[in-house]
Amino acid sequence: QQPVQSPQAVILREGEDAVINCSSSKALYSVHWYRQKHGEAPVFLMILLKGGEQKGHDKISASFNEKKQQSSLYLTASQLSYSGTYFCGTEDTGNQFYFGTGTSLTVIP
Amino acid sequence: NAGVMQNPRHLVRRRGQEARLRCSPMKGHSHVYWYRQLPEEGLKFMVYLQKENIIDESGMPKERFSAEFPKEGPSILRIQQVVRGDSAAYFCASSPRTGGTQYFGPGTRLLVL
Repeated sequence: QQPVQSPQAVILREGEDAVINCSSSKALYSVHWYRQKHGEAPVFLMILLKGGEQKGHDKISASFNEKKQQSSLYLTASQLSYSGTYFCGTEDTGNQFYFGTGTSLTVIP
Repeated sequence: NAGVMQNPRHLVRRRGQEARLRCSPMKGHSHVYWYRQLPEEGLKFMVYLQKENIIDESGMPKERFSAEFPKEGPSILRIQQVVRGDSAAYFCASSPRTGGTQYFGPGTRLLVL
């Protein structure tokens, strides 16, 4: 039931873009995205509630393809502060919540 | 507008001692989740509680670990007779409903000597 994220790790230079994918084997009601910086607690970024919904937060946005049971997180013009591990969290139609496998993102100057 | 509170933030125990980790959820949240995280690894689900009830403890080791969320007071994760392998960061998260967005506390870093 744990959603699978890809890639597992990515290294970017400042200003480059990245896409992180989250895929579930179950029908989803919502997808949540979190970022965890080294040594800190995960921080909630956004929730997507409807199939096809897209949301944005500064230069970070996400989409949710309900039919494919997938979500993607888009980081545009990455900044050093974007470095961290990104987790998706999925709520299935039975209200079960699972965190994804995580994607480590490192932005270098 | 307090967030999720956890204490202590750091805890050092010798092998065989007991560790008690506390979590006070956000105001209005009655759902609490506990996770363990080893360095450079993801969040490993341990237990999900609502007030006075354990809903899902499928991630809890069967021995030495227990959790409660009493009607009054914080949720407590208790580890008896700690071993070195218990050293990790323990996070709790609270949510207003089943399957809802989880908000994390700062975590308790447990070190077993």
